[in-house]
Amino acid sequence: DAGVIQSPRHEVTEMGQEVTLRCKPISGHDYLFWYRQTMMRGLELLIYFNNNVPIDDSGMPEDRFSAKMPNASFSTLKIQPSEPRDSAVYFCASSLVPPGEKLHEQYFGPGTRLTVT
Amino acid sequence: AQSVTQLGSHVSVSEGALVLLRCNYSSSVPPYLFWYVQYPNQGLQLLLKYTSAATLVKGINGFEAEFKKSETSFHLTKPSAHMSDAAEYFCAVSEKNTGFQKLVFGTGTRLLVSP
Repeated sequence: DAGVIQSPRHEVTEMGQEVTLRCKPISGHDYLFWYRQTMMRGLELLIYFNNNVPIDDSGMPEDRFSAKMPNASFSTLKIQPSEPRDSAVYFCASSLVPPGEKLHEQYFGPGTRLTVT
Repeated sequence: AQSVTQLGSHVSVSEGALVLLRCNYSSSVPPYLFWYVQYPNQGLQLLLKYTSAATLVKGINGFEAEFKKSETSFHLTKPSAHMSDAAEYFCAVSEKNTGFQKLVFGTGTRLLVSP
């Protein structure tokens, strides 16, 4: 299995531009998570989906951020308009919770390093 | 609300020495606890997890952690450090009232291993 795939790996954009980050979870996984990692705030959960449905988006910083999961194999995190304070590494993770169990390991992608100038 | 505190943003050890990375948690209900490792320019990888079974949990790469309810701790140890252990380590907690899926991470501890 290729693992969780994220694209692009690096993104540099100017303030005010729209940014779209992409994630392909591991095939068969039913949970998908978006995290943001910064030096100041550490690793924060932004939103997570179960069977393509958003379950908890309380970590999404503001309306400029949106996430979608149109199908089981693809998710996007969009920032519009982007601001310099959005500069961070954004991770996608996926997991599969077997029937009768409470949780299973989250597998992380390599991350997208976003720089907003 | 659930949270974890990792004491020490950096820990330095010599190769072959004991590794001890500290994690204390705060939770109103019995938690699940995790240690993840992050190598440079990579995502996080699970080292081990505590899910209310045995209090001493063994993970990959020779690491283990002990859940101590009386001390609200889940410290990570390894008897003998290798150069390849140099990385950042994150403690995380999840709770039943969030369906166990929502992980809250500590701020991380960077482990430095010298020859």
